[in-house]
Amino acid sequence: GQQVMQIPQYQHVQEGEDFTTYCNSSTTLSNIQWYKQRPGGHPVFLIQLVKSGEVKKQKRLTFQFGEAKKNSSLHITATQTTDVGTYFCAEYNFNKFYFGSGTKLNVKP
Amino acid sequence: DAGITQSPRHKVTETGTPVTLRCHQTENHRYMYWYRQDPGHGLRLIHYSYGVKDTDKGEVSDGYSVSRSKTEDFLLTLESATSSQTSVYFCATTPGLEPQYFGPGTRLTVL
Repeated sequence: GQQVMQIPQYQHVQEGEDFTTYCNSSTTLSNIQWYKQRPGGHPVFLIQLVKSGEVKKQKRLTFQFGEAKKNSSLHITATQTTDVGTYFCAEYNFNKFYFGSGTKLNVKP
Repeated sequence: DAGITQSPRHKVTETGTPVTLRCHQTENHRYMYWYRQDPGHGLRLIHYSYGVKDTDKGEVSDGYSVSRSKTEDFLLTLESATSSQTSVYFCATTPGLEPQYFGPGTRLTVL
């Protein structure tokens, strides 16, 4: 099956620092979705990227899809304590979603 | 969030007993999914459904079965629960190539 690798597994930052998580695949991704899961909560959809080189922004969050469509990144500028949680990438392919293992972000105030 | 509920929300059971988890949606979404979430593994697909009575296996389907007799309900059954099935189970729905909407999860402990 598809394999989407996500790094790092954990990231601890001081509030105000930037944060980036990466999603990589050995095969071309048809699309990539990003989700956030707060501690004790359920995953919540953030964004979907489908085009090569696509960049989308949501306030302090910047999402990129690689030119070769084999990688994607989520960058948070000036983290806040509300950014705490686990961030997952996922590919949708043939009715199934393939999730990365997630990056757990902890933000120290 | 989409109208997705899961029941029960918490369950403790013993090894060898059957367990059924229920997912109910009010969005009329065609696709429904069951995942399990374990530390270090992210979300792993157990089974999914692409319509009433239409289901297919995911990557970790052994020991699980599903049924979907109505659009709004998707049941996950552990025929004979084992300790390795202790996990948090999430149901999700989507109308198609769209975001998935997740239910609140069921925490299952098998002793």
